[in-house]
Amino acid sequence: NAGVTQTPKFQVLKTGQSMTLQCAQDMNHEYMSWYRQDPGMGLRLIHYSVGAGITDQGEVPNGYNVSRSTTEDFPLRLLSAAPSQTSVYFCASTRRAVNYGYTFGSGTRLTVV
Amino acid sequence: GDSVTQMEGPVTLSEEAFLTINCTYTATGYPSLFWYVQYPGEGLQLLLKATKADDKGSNKGFEATYRKETTSFHLEKGSVQVSDSAVYFCALTEGAQKLVFGQGTRLTINP
Repeated sequence: NAGVTQTPKFQVLKTGQSMTLQCAQDMNHEYMSWYRQDPGMGLRLIHYSVGAGITDQGEVPNGYNVSRSTTEDFPLRLLSAAPSQTSVYFCASTRRAVNYGYTFGSGTRLTVV
Repeated sequence: GDSVTQMEGPVTLSEEAFLTINCTYTATGYPSLFWYVQYPGEGLQLLLKATKADDKGSNKGFEATYRKETTSFHLEKGSVQVSDSAVYFCALTEGAQKLVFGQGTRLTINP
């Protein structure tokens, strides 16, 4: 099925560990973004990309890295996990501009202990 | 920066009741406005959108009208069902690349 695929669905990390959250889309969308969802705070933008080779910071980028080597993939790297990064992470993609409406993945629930 | 304020939840209604979830925004330009819905354990799905003032977005019996004069985009449905139980997010575009979300409103419909 076409859409946005995120892996893993669940992950527990120890403080200081690193990991990569995977995101792939097969709709040839140019725009991709990572959001984190925390209770009572809605979704906050971490990083986004407007095309392969182009990334930029969102509202809460500290502690996260991204790269966009292909149109399809947009991985999110946690460099040294902290308990404050416990959250649900969503990847989303859209055609040329966000006013087309994003397609979201099903999320990765991350717990840092 | 731009921001979205949603009605505090949770909201609990009986089946067939009328639903309104309030959403107001602050923006420097002319954003597009959206409602997204999140069912338990799933990602967000686009419910409806409006791209300019006085536009009405509609889908699955839900409606919202882009009101520039009151900077609002309230979500309404005439008769809710148990299957409408979810978290609803209002959002706006900030520039060409970003979406800004409200905090979400949890809706529970009792049979």
